[in-house]
Amino acid sequence: EPEVTQTPSHQVTQMGQEVILRCVPISNHLYFYWYRQILGQKVEFLVSFYNNEISEKSEIFDDQFSVERPDGSNFTLKIRSTKLEDSAMYFCASSHTSDYGYTFGSGTRLTVV
Amino acid sequence: SQQGEEDPQALSIQEGENATMNCSYKTSINNLQWYRQNSGRGLVHLILIRSNEREKHSGRLRVTLDTSKKSSSLLITASRAADTASYFCATVFMNRDDKIIFGKGTRLHILP
Repeated sequence: EPEVTQTPSHQVTQMGQEVILRCVPISNHLYFYWYRQILGQKVEFLVSFYNNEISEKSEIFDDQFSVERPDGSNFTLKIRSTKLEDSAMYFCASSHTSDYGYTFGSGTRLTVV
Repeated sequence: SQQGEEDPQALSIQEGENATMNCSYKTSINNLQWYRQNSGRGLVHLILIRSNEREKHSGRLRVTLDTSKKSSSLLITASRAADTASYFCATVFMNRDDKIIFGKGTRLHILP
């Protein structure tokens, strides 16, 4: 069964550094998403991406964040100048359409120290 | 808040019993989806029910949707230890198909 692949599985970074979280969505999917889950809390929407542009972003997704689909297969989330409160699990997801449910990756656990 | 809210927050049942989790939401939806998350792992899509559907089955899962009450339920029959996980409902709101919004989830614990 096709999978969404996320790398790395765990990233530790110093406060103020930039991190890039990588995702390989399912190849024939058209919609891509990033969500995050702070430990013990709910899963929060960050951004959706379709047709090579952001279709919607949440209030969390401010100028510190950016997404890119650089080569037609990868989908990346960049977090600039990380803060302690950015520590969370970050999940990438893709879907053919929103009518088919999303396939999530296993997540990247980001720890900012 | 537009997100779905699950009820109960936590549920412990004996293996073999049925588990029922409920979800309520506030705004008209296109569809409602249920996901499972094992501790510290990714989310797994279980089932999707569209706004014009009332009931759907998938194996031991049964989902109902009542749009008049803006609520849904997930029934897991003949529960197994492997069903221990958190279960989330996620909604796609009417005319907004660009994201799903998750509720806070129900933590289900199956006792041996």
